[in-house]
Amino acid sequence: GESVGLHLPTLSVQEGDNSIINCAYSNSASDYFIWYKQESGKGPQFIIDIRSNMDKRQGQRVTVLLNKTVKHLSLQIAATQPGDSAVYFCAENPPGYKLSFGAGTTVTVRA
Amino acid sequence: DAGVTQSPTHLIKTRGQQVTLRCSPISGHKSVSWYQQVLGQGPQFIFQYYEKEERGRGNFPDRFSARQFPNYSSELNVNALLLGDSALYLCASSLVGAKGNTIYFGEGSWLTVV
Repeated sequence: GESVGLHLPTLSVQEGDNSIINCAYSNSASDYFIWYKQESGKGPQFIIDIRSNMDKRQGQRVTVLLNKTVKHLSLQIAATQPGDSAVYFCAENPPGYKLSFGAGTTVTVRA
Repeated sequence: DAGVTQSPTHLIKTRGQQVTLRCSPISGHKSVSWYQQVLGQGPQFIFQYYEKEERGRGNFPDRFSARQFPNYSSELNVNALLLGDSALYLCASSLVGAKGNTIYFGEGSWLTVV
């Protein structure tokens, strides 16, 4: 449960480009995953979630992909905007009631 | 509609003191969880309460305790504060205590121990 991790601690992206944030998890029993965005000085903000019976889910400008074979999760942000600059966390829900978070990826959008 | 509300937003305590943090979940939500977030790290699970009963506890010492009230609000208490307890304490709520329920976070309470 403590092994949720993101592949890169930082990501710099040009405004208007697409962003891809990756996450690896280790608990094969996890069946629910959430992406959160955390801006400086604020609490985590829910972005999108996905259950293990799905491999893709789309929201407004965001898409989450789940590959259970390699225990990999990704968040794609379309047409990245300056307001997307934040720390992004993936969280998994293993057996039990807690969420396990990785260390986060800091996304910086260049104008 | 109000989201998860926490109080106080910031506080400074001295080593050895005790602190109580408060949380009101989203209206209609019956489950409350507490997380500790140290600067530069992801949140770490402390407790989950559902229908006033503790449903889960993370790897935290007994100095940490919590409770949930009949109106589903919650308090987190930390006794004998240590410098290492300095962190952002986050409260999260969900509709029920079952897995797979979307969990929403408040803005947190910043605790500094000096």
